Amino acid sequence: KQEVTQIPAALSVPEGENLVLNCSFTDSAIYNLQWFRQDPGKGLTSLLLIQSSQREQTSGRLNASLDKSSGRSTLYIAASQPGDSATYLCAVPFSGGYNKLIFGAGTRLAVHP
Amino acid sequence: DVKVTQSSRYLVKRTGEKVFLECVQDMDHENMFWYRQDPGLGLRLIYFSYDVKMKEKGDIPEGYSVSREKKERFSLILESASTNQTSMYLCASSPRTGTSTDTQYFGPGTRLTVL
Repeated sequence: KQEVTQIPAALSVPEGENLVLNCSFTDSAIYNLQWFRQDPGKGLTSLLLIQSSQREQTSGRLNASLDKSSGRSTLYIAASQPGDSATYLCAVPFSGGYNKLIFGAGTRLAVHP
Repeated sequence: DVKVTQSSRYLVKRTGEKVFLECVQDMDHENMFWYRQDPGLGLRLIYFSYDVKMKEKGDIPEGYSVSREKKERFSLILESASTNQTSMYLCASSPRTGTSTDTQYFGPGTRLTVL
C-alpha cells in the first residue's frame, strides 16, 4: 500500500533563506507527483506537477525534483518570503486510475521577517 | 479559471442531525472527490465519483454517503452526525483526460463542528 511521508512536519526560518521540503513514497510505480500549497483555513492550490518521465519542474522561486528509484521528491524554495508561510503537501496517484491522490501530512512553513 | 465552490465555510450541527455538504464545479470535470482533513492525519479520501450517479468508496466511507445527480454537483451526506466527524471537509474536481498531467482543483473547505 502506498504511503507518503513528509519531513519535517514544521519549519520556521528567517526571511531570505533557501529551504528544502522533503517527500518520500513507498511505491515507485507512480506516473506523477504533485506539490500543493494550503493557506490556513483554506483549500489546496496546485504548485507543481512532475511527470514520471521528468526529473524536475520549476515555477518562479520554486523547484521540485523527483527521484522515482529512491522514492523521493524535494521542493526547493529560494529566497523565502513571509508570504511563503503556508502548509505544503505532496501527493501521488493511487493505482487504479480516476486521478485519486494519496497525500502526505504536510510541512507547515513559517517564514518570519 | 476552474472554480470549485462549497456551500458553507463554517457549519455547526448537533449530534444525530443529518448534514448535507454541497460542492459545485464549473469546469465540466468528470471526477469529483470528498476529503476530510485532520491535524496530523493529512487529507483522507471519503468518496469519489467519476460520472453522474457513479460513486466509489475511499479510505474512510463509514458514516458518510454521497450523491451526484448532476455532473457539476457532488454532495456529501452525514446520515447521523457524530462528534468524531468534526473536521475540515474539502471537495475537489479533476478532468479525466487520461494523461499524466491531470491535477485536482480544490474548494475552500467547510469547517464542520458537531456538538
